[in-house]
Amino acid sequence: GAGVSQSPSNKVTEKGKDVELRCDPISGHTALYWYRQSLGQGLEFLIYFQGNSAPDKSGLPSDRFSAERTGGSVSTLTIQRTQQEDSAVYLCASSLARTYNSPLHFGNGTRLTVT
Amino acid sequence: QQQVKQSPQSLIVQKGGISIINCAYENTAFDYFPWYQQFPGKGPALLIAIRPDVSEKKEGRFTISFNKSAKQFSLHIMDSQPGDSATYFCAASAYTSGTYKYIFGTGTRLKVLA
Repeated sequence: GAGVSQSPSNKVTEKGKDVELRCDPISGHTALYWYRQSLGQGLEFLIYFQGNSAPDKSGLPSDRFSAERTGGSVSTLTIQRTQQEDSAVYLCASSLARTYNSPLHFGNGTRLTVT
Repeated sequence: QQQVKQSPQSLIVQKGGISIINCAYENTAFDYFPWYQQFPGKGPALLIAIRPDVSEKKEGRFTISFNKSAKQFSLHIMDSQPGDSATYFCAASAYTSGTYKYIFGTGTRLKVLA
């Protein structure tokens, strides 16, 4: 079946502009996660959703970052007034989250470059 | 307490050698420890995982060793192959607020020389 789909795959934007990153999880997966991958920084947790609720937003770096999930499916990560330090690969993952060993299924990410 | 510390940052191994990557955690609420493998341009994919009630898990050439008292775990890749060249992430997971929260290490870039 289809895996996790992220769009766009690449995004170049000017400093100060807003961007929206989209994630289509695997159908039926109730949990959805956003991570940021920067060079040498590993996978930085941003936010996760259980259904449409976001119990933990603690990883969002600033109030310029927000995310929503609608219909228990598609999620959008929005970055307002982008800064150069926002340049990174943004990864989305989904999971059935029924048991402890329900694996995370990652998309291939959106590479964001802020010029 | 939420961190997972991973080392080394990079590793070069000869074909046929053993690759060893180490991770350590602080939060004893973590109860599931997966390793993910990532190739360039792709998202990470689950490689192997372990729970703290066992000290070792082996799948083919990949073995996780787990030391609960030291709060450390490691990935061993036996007979390393050039196709194993990738970035490896350890992770720790705990059930919280209705789902499983994963914290990842900073990654190890492995290069296996032919």
